Amino acid sequence: EVQLVQSGAEVKKPGESLKISCKDSGYRFTNYWIAWVRQMPGKGLEWMGIIYPGDSDTRYSPSFQGQVTISADKSTNTAYLQWSSLKPSDTAMYYCATSVSAPGWFDPWGQGTLVTVSS
Amino acid sequence: DIQLTQSPSFLSASVGDRVTITCRASQAISSYLAWYQQKPGKAPKLLIYAASTLQSGVPSRFSGSGSGTEFTLTISSLQPEDFATYYCQQFNRYPITFGQGTRLEIK
Repeated sequence: EVQLVQSGAEVKKPGESLKISCKDSGYRFTNYWIAWVRQMPGKGLEWMGIIYPGDSDTRYSPSFQGQVTISADKSTNTAYLQWSSLKPSDTAMYYCATSVSAPGWFDPWGQGTLVTVSS
Repeated sequence: DIQLTQSPSFLSASVGDRVTITCRASQAISSYLAWYQQKPGKAPKLLIYAASTLQSGVPSRFSGSGSGTEFTLTISSLQPEDFATYYCQQFNRYPITFGQGTRLEIK
């Protein structure tokens, strides 16, 4: 059974870098796609991008292309979302979620990582 | 991008009511639509995929229908635990998009 566990909440300053993680405690990490979804405070869900850890095939939403980097490490069953220079507008909850196909539906989801960017 | 518009955005209903939420796509997406439930402070939960297939473990009072550009999520008899926000999501093509959400509150 796939179960995603995300890294803890982060508080960062504008301009800082950050890498958050999503670890799959199941047995088939390389057989699923892992997506990242943003939810800004009080707002809806936004798909950011998706990666297939088996071969690192990655797709980005045009809204997030160039703003973030999605990666995965098969040896540790972990997917990552990283920023090189955070902005206050990056303050949000970030969820990872699995998909058996791409594009596809998402299930299950990680518990979320809250990122706060403030000076 | 494919835009998804949910209606209503806000819905007030009572326990036992039958409610329907609509999701309209800006272009045809066949049956490539999913529905999620999200409660405050929690991750979204998959309810329905492929427009009408109930995810394992989801109560049968939830049902989905539609194809092409118009889809509905119906809850046949609202239970207290159903008060939440509901989102539709299309996976016909990239970029994957979500509806803006429908907040279901207790009347």
